[in-house]
Amino acid sequence: DAGVIQSPRHEVTEMGQEVTLRCKPISGHNSLFWYRQTMMRGLELLIYFNNNVPIDDSGMPEDRFSAKMPNASFSTLKIQPSEPRDSAVYFCASNSRGLAGVGLRTDTQYFGPGTRLTVL
Amino acid sequence: SQQGEEDPQALSIQEGENATMNCSYKTSINNLQWYRQNSGRGLVHLILIRSNEREKHSGRLRVTLDTSKKSSSLLITASRAADTASYFCATADTGRRALTFGSGTRLQVQP
Repeated sequence: DAGVIQSPRHEVTEMGQEVTLRCKPISGHNSLFWYRQTMMRGLELLIYFNNNVPIDDSGMPEDRFSAKMPNASFSTLKIQPSEPRDSAVYFCASNSRGLAGVGLRTDTQYFGPGTRLTVL
Repeated sequence: SQQGEEDPQALSIQEGENATMNCSYKTSINNLQWYRQNSGRGLVHLILIRSNEREKHSGRLRVTLDTSKKSSSLLITASRAADTASYFCATADTGRRALTFGSGTRLQVQP
């Protein structure tokens, strides 16, 4: 399994530009999570999807951020317009609310390598 | 906001020593997980302990959970230089699928 795939790995853009981050979850996983990591705020959940439906977007900073999951194998996080304070590493993670072993459910999340975003 | 608070924030030890990291949380949880992050990389799941468990082992890892104190500890025994990384606790709150991560402990193992 290739694991969670994110692209691009690095993005440098200028303030005001639109930025689109992409994620391909692990095949068969039905939940997808977007996180942002900064030195000041640590790792924060932005939004998560279950079966392609957004469940909790309370972590999305403001209207400049939007996320979509048009199908089970693809999700995007868009920032428009971008600002310097959006500079961070953005992680995508996925998991499956399936069974792991007899009678057990798994909540383990599998993370992608992240996209390092720099907004100048 | 970060529910989990970890201490210490940074820990430096010699190879072969044990490393202990602590995590406190605030709400009712289904489980607590520990993740590792190498510099510039994504997080990797290490171990999960459920709310009805008190201790769990996996290789050189030992995790304890005290729900009455809302705290957990991660012990890495016989540390190696390759254990150098940041370690995060994450809680799966009751009724919520997403994880809430702590602030992390940066572990440096000197060879």
